[in-house]
Amino acid sequence: GAVVSQHPSWVICKSGTSVKIECRSLDFQATTMFWYRQFPKQSLMLMATSNEGSKATYEQGVEKDKFLINHASLTLSTLTVTSAHPEDSSFYICSARWDTQYFGPGTRLTVL
Amino acid sequence: GQQLNQSPQSMFIQEGEDVSMNCTSSSIFNTWLWYKQDPGEGPVLLIALYKAGELTSNGRLTAQFGITRKDSFLNISASIPSDVGIYFCAGQLGGGGNKLTFGTGTQLKVEL
Repeated sequence: GAVVSQHPSWVICKSGTSVKIECRSLDFQATTMFWYRQFPKQSLMLMATSNEGSKATYEQGVEKDKFLINHASLTLSTLTVTSAHPEDSSFYICSARWDTQYFGPGTRLTVL
Repeated sequence: GQQLNQSPQSMFIQEGEDVSMNCTSSSIFNTWLWYKQDPGEGPVLLIALYKAGELTSNGRLTAQFGITRKDSFLNISASIPSDVGIYFCAGQLGGGGNKLTFGTGTQLKVEL
């Protein structure tokens, strides 16, 4: 149990375009999901907390207008990177809350 | 954002050896979690600790929640090649819905 999926697993896009990443809890309902970013050889850094039916809470230094989060149902949260630039290239990982946090497999974003 | 300090940063051990790593914080946490991350994957939960002083095992893994609630250690006994990966500790202040603060990570390499 407690399986979290992400789609896509990797994406390459051109600078200036927008990219949407989906996070789904497959066998449980999650009122809270979290989005993290991980640069090579670094730890996970929390970007935002996504609450079903309400606005996301962003960590200090994370631009809410650039990283749009929508948690429209108890099993789905989406992260949209708008007007992506090469410095947004990273590994994006979501987690979903059940008894604790369970993580998705991550999405590798490369912006050319 | 805040990160927990893990040591060692990396370790290279022989198969069959026991491994010990720890995690320290300047802040108190109510929950400590240990995750393992393989390359290109999301973190997988290994052990969760909920009480100061708690000692919990999961197969060859044993973790303890420090009495001061500012530290935790993880031991792996009789290491095997599949133990290779990055181990992260994470501290949490409240329940499962509260955000995690991740450690800097310990990279484990096992020599056959």
